[in-house]
Amino acid sequence: QKEVEQDPGPLSVPEGAIVSLNCTYSNSAFQYFMWYRQYSRKGPELLMYTYSSGNKEDGRFTAQVDKSSKYISLFIRDSQPSDSATYLCAMSLVNQAGTALIFGKGTTLSVSS
Amino acid sequence: EPEVTQTPSHQVTQMGQEVILRCVPISNHLYFYWYRQILGQKVEFLVSFYNNEISEKSEIFDDQFSVERPDGSNFTLKIRSTKLEDSAMYFCASRIQGQYGYTFGSGTRLTVV
Repeated sequence: QKEVEQDPGPLSVPEGAIVSLNCTYSNSAFQYFMWYRQYSRKGPELLMYTYSSGNKEDGRFTAQVDKSSKYISLFIRDSQPSDSATYLCAMSLVNQAGTALIFGKGTTLSVSS
Repeated sequence: EPEVTQTPSHQVTQMGQEVILRCVPISNHLYFYWYRQILGQKVEFLVSFYNNEISEKSEIFDDQFSVERPDGSNFTLKIRSTKLEDSAMYFCASRIQGQYGYTFGSGTRLTVV
């Protein structure tokens, strides 16, 4: 069973739409949940970072974590063409070792003007 | 904004050759990581490094791989005898103590021929 599942898309929306991106996971020990944005041939860029369950908002972005369902979401309001990228969810345990991130495969988003 | 810097951006090497990928993490970060992303696949954890030693490594990080922080600013990944399947984007990342969101570099594209 894969640890982190993410629908690869592609997802195409018009400018101004609300976008919902989701991941499911199997390891209930994950405690830190992140969303990264990756442009083509670039490194992942941290967008949102949450600990345990709940919501976190930052501008047009809202991250939700539902640990009981092992489900995380990223919402993008008023989407812009510049939001076109691949969105990666990632999560980690917390231990004395390295807190390695486990990534989803990424969802490719295209926002058309 | 502080950046993680990786060099070179692209390296082509012959199978069996040794390569060294270089990274300069953000100066006040204490935890350092290497990840790789084979084209079309997930970002995968290789190794984490803290306090001048490896703190965690994945199954991918076998005896052909090594890491070093030779001078207090650089962080290197060495692959001793490259294989075709080592072709990937290699990302260096770092993070500050107490926070679990990483900053990634732009990556080195390694092509083994």
